[in-house]
Amino acid sequence: DAKTTQPPSMDCAEGRAANLPCNHSTISGNEYVYWYRQIHSQGPQYIIHGLKNNETNEMASLIITEDRKSSTLILPHATLRDTAVYYCIVRPANQAGTALIFGKGTTLSVSS
Amino acid sequence: DVKVTQSSRYLVKRTGEKVFLECVQDMDHENMFWYRQDPGLGLRLIYFSYDVKMKEKGDIPEGYSVSREKKERFSLILESASTNQTSMYLCASRLSGANVLTFGAGSRLTVL
Repeated sequence: DAKTTQPPSMDCAEGRAANLPCNHSTISGNEYVYWYRQIHSQGPQYIIHGLKNNETNEMASLIITEDRKSSTLILPHATLRDTAVYYCIVRPANQAGTALIFGKGTTLSVSS
Repeated sequence: DVKVTQSSRYLVKRTGEKVFLECVQDMDHENMFWYRQDPGLGLRLIYFSYDVKMKEKGDIPEGYSVSREKKERFSLILESASTNQTSMYLCASRLSGANVLTFGAGSRLTVL
C-alpha cells in the first residue's frame, strides 16, 4: 500500500467544520483514497472513498487535490460524537488476497 | 446492514490457557481478518482468510493460529495465552477484494 501521512492529533470546536488532511504523495494512478474512523471502544467504521473527483455522503466530504498527492476529509458540522481516530488509507480498488493496513491515524477531539 | 459479531466483549484468562475468539459475519463475505489494537501502535494485522479453509499470516502471527471451517466464521486461537497478548482484538469482513471493511465491536482480552 502507498504510504500516507496524517497529523497525530487535531482539535475542533463543536459545530465547526473539521478538516482532516492526509498526504499520499506516492499514490499510484489506480489507487483510491479510503477513510475510516474509530470511536473509542468500538471497531473502525468506513466513512468514504474516492479516486480523483470530490465525493460527499451523509457522513462527510472528501476533497482530493488535482495531482492526487493529498486529500482532506471534511466533517461539515462536527459534534462531540465525531471525537475519534481517523484513518486515511490508499489502495487499489480491488486487491483480492491482501489486507488493508491501518496506520496510526489522526485523533480528532471535538469540544463544546 | 452487514453485521460482524464477536462472541465475547470482555475476557479475562490466565497465562498458559488456550483462548478462542470467535467471529461471525452474516453477509456471505469471502474475506475475514483479525487485528489487534494496542495504545500507540494502531491496528496490526494478525491473520486473514480470503476464503474457507484459506489463511494468510499478517504482520504479527506469532503466538496465534486461526480456523476458517465455514464461510461465516473465523476463529482466532491463542494456544497458550501470555500477558503480552493482553489487547483489544478486532475482527472484520469484506467482499473479496473490496476495500470496505465491516468491523465487529471488538473483544478486550486480559491475560493475568
